[in-house]
Amino acid sequence: DAGVIQSPRHEVTEMGQEVTLRCKPISGHDYLFWYRQTMMRGLELLIYFNNNVPIDDSGMPEDRFSAKMPNASFSTLKIQPSEPRDSAVYFCASGLKYEQYFGPGTRLTVT
Amino acid sequence: DAKTTQPNSMESNEEEPVHLPCNHSTISGTDYIHWYRQLPSQGPEYVIHGLTSNVNNRMASLAIAEDRKSSTLILHRATLRDAAVYYCILSKGYALNFGKGTSLLVTP
Repeated sequence: DAGVIQSPRHEVTEMGQEVTLRCKPISGHDYLFWYRQTMMRGLELLIYFNNNVPIDDSGMPEDRFSAKMPNASFSTLKIQPSEPRDSAVYFCASGLKYEQYFGPGTRLTVT
Repeated sequence: DAKTTQPNSMESNEEEPVHLPCNHSTISGTDYIHWYRQLPSQGPEYVIHGLTSNVNNRMASLAIAEDRKSSTLILHRATLRDAAVYYCILSKGYALNFGKGTSLLVTP
């Protein structure tokens, strides 16, 4: 298996623009997680899905952030409008019961 | 979720065993103990998890104290590739709250 695939790997955008991050989980995994990592706040869980259904989105910072999982092999995290404070590395992870496997991350820079 | 306490950093020599401690005095009966590590410029990597009994896998061993208030991740023979931040996390379910972890330095 190729592991968790994230795209793009790097994204530079201007404040106010819409940003969409994409994730393809490992086949057969029924959990999908979105995390954000910054130097100041460390690694934070934003939202997770089970069988394509959002279970806990309490970590989503505000209404500008939204996540979808239309099917078992694809998820998106959207930021609209983006702000400089959204600059971070965004990780997607998929997993089975108690093991999560992380993708390489998307480094987002909002100028 | 209950909190964990780890040393900020540790140092080890290559090819020697490494014992990474984690204190979790407020652990509840349903909390699993998870260990992940993050190599530089990479996403976190699953290492091992356990509930009450000691666990072994190809990467490491997890030793859990009898009262479950502490645990130790054991790398049996450190390599340079093991230099990473190691996170000890307690979780009842699937959501993981990563703390600051222990930064492990491995010297040749």
